[in-house]
Amino acid sequence: NAGVIQTPRHKVTGKGQEATLWCEPISGHSAVFWYRQTIVQGLEFLTYFRNQAPIDDSGMPKERFSAQMPNQSHSTLKIQSTQPQDSAVYLCASSLTVYEQYFGPGTRLTVL
Amino acid sequence: AQKVTQTQTSISVVEKTTVTMDCVYETRDSSYFLFWYKQTASGEIVFLIRQDSYKKENATVGHYSLNFQKPKSSIGLIITATQIEDSAVYFCAMREDSGYNKLTFGKGTVLLVSP
Repeated sequence: NAGVIQTPRHKVTGKGQEATLWCEPISGHSAVFWYRQTIVQGLEFLTYFRNQAPIDDSGMPKERFSAQMPNQSHSTLKIQSTQPQDSAVYLCASSLTVYEQYFGPGTRLTVL
Repeated sequence: AQKVTQTQTSISVVEKTTVTMDCVYETRDSSYFLFWYKQTASGEIVFLIRQDSYKKENATVGHYSLNFQKPKSSIGLIITATQIEDSAVYFCAMREDSGYNKLTFGKGTVLLVSP
C-alpha cells in the first residue's frame, strides 16, 4: 500500500522562477493537506482540500501561492516568482477520517 | 487562536529507559484532538498516537503512551523501553473541532537515544 507520493523530492529554482510541486494522496483518502517546514517557523499549515474542494487556505501566502486538486489522485502547489524566503520543505498529507493525517516525504525547495 | 508549545528542545537518554516529552496547548474549543508525530532523520513524518479531548483514559499504542492532563492543557508523550531507533524529532500537534482539520504543531523535541 503506497503512502503519499510527492514529486519532485528536490527542486532548485532561480529567484523569480515558478515552481510546481505535486502530491498524490493515499488511494481512497478524501482529504489532502499542504504544510511547509522551515527551521525558523517549524511546521505550518498552508491549505486543505476535501473531496477535491478547497476548504481552508488560511495559511497560504496571499500572493504567488496557489493550490489545486483537479482530481482525487493528485494535488499541486504552485509558487510563482519564487523568492529565497520560499525555500522550505513542502509536505503533503492525506487522511481518510477527521483524525490522523499521513505525510508524504516532502519536496525540498531551494530558491537561489 | 490555537497554540502548541514544546519547551524541551532536546533530550538524551540511554536505551531501555523511559522518557517523557512535554507539550502544552491553548485552545478555546471544548472539543479537540491531540497528536504526536515523529520525524526521522530521513525526514519522514510518522503518526504515533492520538488523544481525544473528551476521553479521560490516556491513549496507549505499543511502547507509546500519553499523560493527558486536561485542566493543565497538557499532553505528555511517554516512551518506555526506548530503543536506538527511537532517536528522532517528536512533534506535538492539535486539531480543534471547529478548525476544519488543519493541524497546529509545536516546534518539536529532539530525542537522542544512546547505547
